[in-house]
Amino acid sequence: DAGITQSPRHKVTETGTPVTLRCHQTENHRYMYWYRQDPGHGLRLIHYSYGVKDTDKGEVSDGYSVSRSKTEDFLLTLESATSSQTSVYFCAISTGTRGELFFGEGSRLTVL
Amino acid sequence: QQQVKQSPQSLIVQKGGISIINCAYENTAFDYFPWYQQFPGKGPALLIAIRPDVSEKKEGRFTISFNKSAKQFSLHIMDSQPGDSATYFCAADYGGSQGNLIFGKGTKLSVKP
Repeated sequence: DAGITQSPRHKVTETGTPVTLRCHQTENHRYMYWYRQDPGHGLRLIHYSYGVKDTDKGEVSDGYSVSRSKTEDFLLTLESATSSQTSVYFCAISTGTRGELFFGEGSRLTVL
Repeated sequence: QQQVKQSPQSLIVQKGGISIINCAYENTAFDYFPWYQQFPGKGPALLIAIRPDVSEKKEGRFTISFNKSAKQFSLHIMDSQPGDSATYFCAADYGGSQGNLIFGKGTKLSVKP
């Protein structure tokens, strides 16, 4: 099984503060993704990466930035958190099998 | 259109019954359709997937039916069990950036004992 670790798993922060979520993989997979999950909206892609320093925007990228300086780490940053960014954030990797993403256990972010 | 429309939003089924979740899409460029299962507090996990040149795929109690002309596909869970209680997502892949899936909004399934 692919190993993905997300940190922190839970975070409460205030509007306007910066937040960084970290995704670490142990499998050396090329593609990594950040999704957010909200009731009534399902899973929506924020950003993805296809290699070190190679990233692209997803469906809901406004207000988010990402960085990937090492194969194993993919960081999601909220420069100035807003209440609308309260969500559960999932990191995923592509296993190489068509249609298969392996997801982490999620990071629950609450912005007050 | 990049959307995948999923229904119903929630579903309650008695133990032993059949659970049916439906999805529809517009973009004919989609060429692979996976389903994901998510338990509370966990990330989604791939359950079963189908290509559009196949009308049905079965794995144990889980079956995907695919209607290419109608651009619809559905998940059937036979002999539903309380352990199947989870949120199910259909998805579509158009073969672009690897793994860039478009997900439906999810169906919360509750199987009552």
